[in-house]
Amino acid sequence: SQKIEQNSEALNIQEGKTATLTCNYTNYSPAYLQWYRQDPGRGPVFLLLIRENEKEKRKERLKVTFDTTLKQSLFHITASQPADSATYLCALEGILTGGGNKLTFGTGTQLKVEL
Amino acid sequence: SAVISQKPSRDICQRGTSLTIQCQVDSQVTMMFWYRQQPGQSLTLIATANQGSEATYESGFVIDKFPISRPNLTFSTLTVSNMSPEDSSIYLCSVEAQLANEQFFGPGTRLTVL
Repeated sequence: SQKIEQNSEALNIQEGKTATLTCNYTNYSPAYLQWYRQDPGRGPVFLLLIRENEKEKRKERLKVTFDTTLKQSLFHITASQPADSATYLCALEGILTGGGNKLTFGTGTQLKVEL
Repeated sequence: SAVISQKPSRDICQRGTSLTIQCQVDSQVTMMFWYRQQPGQSLTLIATANQGSEATYESGFVIDKFPISRPNLTFSTLTVSNMSPEDSSIYLCSVEAQLANEQFFGPGTRLTVL
């Protein structure tokens, strides 16, 4: 069955360091992968989308890589700040029961950036 | 982008009752999605709501338990019927961006069933 795995343990890092979060998947051949940020009591907010033919994508302090051979995506936040503390979810494209595309989400990794 | 609101933001309900959650979008959209996020878990898609047709439910979810309405292109409701404590969860609606694959989410409805 299809499976998406993210580190369930929280990641604690110091301000200014680079945070690296991992998303592994099995039994999938997604056309794209997305990363979302979720703060407590809020809905997820879209950050980045990377397609299967793209190795890397950047947006300001964020960088995403997508290795379809390893079936893995890495999400990097450089020069991290306490405001980056949140749960980060990866999501893969799947097929809806009734046709069309849907997103399947990983369990998320909680990031805490400390002063 | 799309701005999505949900009502109520939270509720505490008794076992055996039903709760209807409303989702309002500030623009017309074809598909609206309803998710459940149980404590400590990720989002699980319940169903997809298309205007003018019956909702399509994912495996493990049925219409009798989660009836959905989609009366127009900016509004949808999800009802959680005959609730039990296992239904305690956050319920989120979302829409897909036009010309893109990202989704915009509402703030969620936190449901506690006693």
